[in-house]
Parts: sequence; structure tokens; C-alpha cells
Amino acid sequence: DIQMTQSPSTLSASVGDRVTITCRASQYISSWLAWYQQKPGKAPKLLISDASSLESGVPSRFSGSGSGTEFTLTISSLQPDDFATYYCQVYNSFSWTFGQGTKVEIK
Amino acid sequence: QVRLQESGPGLVKPSETVSLTCTVSGYSISSGYYWGWIRQPPGKGLEWIGSIYHSGSTYDNPSLKSRVRLSVDTSKNHFSLRLSSVTAADTAVYYCATVSGAAPGTYTHFDSWGQGTLVTVSS
Repeated sequence: DIQMTQSPSTLSASVGDRVTITCRASQYISSWLAWYQQKPGKAPKLLISDASSLESGVPSRFSGSGSGTEFTLTISSLQPDDFATYYCQVYNSFSWTFGQGTKVEIK
Repeated sequence: QVRLQESGPGLVKPSETVSLTCTVSGYSISSGYYWGWIRQPPGKGLEWIGSIYHSGSTYDNPSLKSRVRLSVDTSKNHFSLRLSSVTAADTAVYYCATVSGAAPGTYTHFDSWGQGTLVTVSS
């Protein structure tokens, strides 16, 4: 099974900051990685698929990059609505695995 | 626009089997997609449980040790999860979701989600 290591687990930042979250896979996964945002009491929301494809309606301050085993979610200028928990998720051979999550908190 | 709604008992006793249903609207299950179940224990992260195709082809998380049974009813446009021998560790919010991908025939991520239903395992 593929293991995902997401870091950091918690991130304190201010409005306007550039924020980066990293996910590392235990083996090569091509570009089959997605990023989700989850707010308390709500279902996760898909932000990015295939490592870098922004979903319709997602602000352009969100971007994803990487391939192979290391992937990054970047928020270019953190906005008040972005304080949430973010998860990466990998796909491999009909198995789907989530990272542990990164909580983005107000500094 | 596809919409999903989970339903289930809410409270289950240890060692029993919990049955959850995801009712789909705005899209025919028979038209495509895999359909998935994901859970989230209180205060913890997301865990994939299993996925099913409209034909009945299924995949489930090995960590759940064969306690998972997935089924689909195209006539009712819903799919279901049965999780047996539950313990307190199975207490979680259970979500259903569509599993799709960018290329035809690929199913790499979860793009539409239900609101989730809390299942509590307690005597």
C-alpha cells in the first residue's frame, strides 16, 4: 500500500501570507494526487485534481504542483476564508489514500 | 449536478452491523463513475472505506479486514455500505462521494460529496 506523509500537521499564518503544504508518497504515483479543503462540520471540497488541475470555481490563489512522489499545495495570498484543514489524496490501482491533514490556523 | 445524501441508523451497538445508504439525485448511477465511501472519526482525518461501480465491481480498504460489503441498486439510484462487527473505533462521520477522473475510464479523486452521517457505536 502507498503511504502518504503530509506536512506540516498544523500551520499558523496571517492573512496575505504565502502558504505551502507538502505531501510525499512512499512510491511513484505519477500525477494522481488531489487536494481537498475541509471546514468544521462540512464535507471536504475538491480543490485540485491530477496534481495541478484547479477545479471550476476554486480561486486562482490555490495551485498545485509536483509529480512522482512529492507534491505541493500553495496558497499564494491567504484569505480569511482559507482557514481550514487541507488533505491530499493519492490514487493507485483502485486504492485511494488520504494524507493526515494540515490545519491552517490564524496566527 | 449530482447530489448525494447519506442515510443510516445513527446509533449502533458493538459487534452489530451498520448499514448506510447513499441516495443519488441529478445523475443516473448506471451512467458511469465509481461511487465511494469515506469516513472521518471525530477530530481525526479521512479514511477511504470502499468504492463500487454500477456493474457491481468493488474495491475496499484492506485495513478494514473484510468487514465491508458494498452494493448498488440502479433501480433506486442508490448504493449502500454494510460494515460488520463494529466497535467504538468505527464511530465516525460517513460520507459518500462520486469517484471520477480527468480521462475517460479513470477514477482518481472524489469530486462530489454528501453532507455525511454520524454513526456512533455504543451499547
